[in-house]
Amino acid sequence: GQQLNQSPQSMFIQEGEDVSMNCTSSSIFNTWLWYKQDPGEGPVLLIALYKAGELTSNGRLTAQFGITRKDSFLNISASIPSDVGIYFCAGPPVETQGGSEKLVFGKGMKLTVNP
Amino acid sequence: NAGVMQNPRHLVRRRGQEARLRCSPMKGHSHVYWYRQLPEEGLKFMVYLQKENIIDESGMPKERFSAEFPKEGPSILRIQQVVRGDSAAYFCASSTYRERETQYFGPGTRLLVL
Repeated sequence: GQQLNQSPQSMFIQEGEDVSMNCTSSSIFNTWLWYKQDPGEGPVLLIALYKAGELTSNGRLTAQFGITRKDSFLNISASIPSDVGIYFCAGPPVETQGGSEKLVFGKGMKLTVNP
Repeated sequence: NAGVMQNPRHLVRRRGQEARLRCSPMKGHSHVYWYRQLPEEGLKFMVYLQKENIIDESGMPKERFSAEFPKEGPSILRIQQVVRGDSAAYFCASSTYRERETQYFGPGTRLLVL
């Protein structure tokens, strides 16, 4: 089945530092989504990207849709303790669109922020 | 604006019992998706439904699992004769028709099978 390769798997940073994570796929995506999940909760949508090359910001978060349509990255600037959580990339593979828009998820990046 | 609602949040069942998980989509959303998450893993698609229709159930086990989204009321994911391997977090997501790929998730139901 489809897989998204997300890296790194975990990061430990100091409060105030920036962090970057990325996601790659062997197949093309028309949409990239970035979610954050806190323990015991559901994923919360952070940013949605719909166009190759698109760069979108949401507060301290910036995400880009790779030009090849096979990758995306997420940056968090000036991290704060509440940024702690697991970040997932996700998207519907092109071949499933038009019928089912089921999402494929990466395995997640666990972020720890030391105050 | 109420988000996606799921209940119960936690469910404990003994092997062989039935589990019923409920999901009410976000207001204005007509499409519902169910995903399963094992510890330390990403979410895995199970089934996609519109009102009274199953669109894609390719991720759902053929036996013991079923899903519905009736004309009135929440979507239900039903697991019959649960086994220990069914223990997981089950998440529901919803979307509009026009933006089906932009899915908003509920808080999940944590199922524990003893």
